[in-house]
Amino acid sequence: AQSVSQHNHHVILSEAASLELGCNYSYGGTVNLFWYVQYPGQHLQLLLKYFSGDPLVKGIKGFEAEFIKSKFSFNLRKPSVQWSDTAEYFCAVNTMNTGNQFYFGTGTSLTVIP
Amino acid sequence: KAGVTQTPRYLIKTRGQQVTLSCSPISGHRSVSWYQQTPGQGLQFLFEYFSETQRNKGNFPGRFSGRQFSNSRSEMNVSTLELGDSALYLCASSIVPGQQETQYFGPGTRLLVL
Repeated sequence: AQSVSQHNHHVILSEAASLELGCNYSYGGTVNLFWYVQYPGQHLQLLLKYFSGDPLVKGIKGFEAEFIKSKFSFNLRKPSVQWSDTAEYFCAVNTMNTGNQFYFGTGTSLTVIP
Repeated sequence: KAGVTQTPRYLIKTRGQQVTLSCSPISGHRSVSWYQQTPGQGLQFLFEYFSETQRNKGNFPGRFSGRQFSNSRSEMNVSTLELGDSALYLCASSIVPGQQETQYFGPGTRLLVL
């Protein structure tokens, strides 16, 4: 079965530090990749997505992610985090064979200390 | 355009009872998916509806069911509630089902089973 792994469960950073959150998936076919963010008390929002083309995708609020097909990875990055980035981050995958069924990672909780 | 709405936002039930949750998708969106979110398991796919038909179903027992109406609104029902059903239930909508369709999430219904 399709699986999505987020290896960092909890990350604590100081403001201005750089961020990289890992995401690996198990499916070897054509995949569509997403990062969602859930701010405290708010609903899940789309940060960025990759369908095809340039493997480096840019999203909202200065986030970017790089798709590395050979590593089955879609890591999320931000050069300089802010206190307002404190949230839970979810990586998600769907594939040609699953249509609209998304597979989510278990999430990474990011705390940014001012 | 209004986002995905879910009602009620909070529910407290006791074991053995049943519960019905409601989801209204974004106007013009015809695909609705349901997820269960728990701290340990992350987001797990329950089912997806399009044109009043269930297209996909996740690995949940038959106590979990759903339906979609002609106006694309969807309901999910959980019968014979168990303590382990306590979770945040999320609804997501997209224009149509499809691997490159972005899902937009509602705020969720938080269910507590006592």
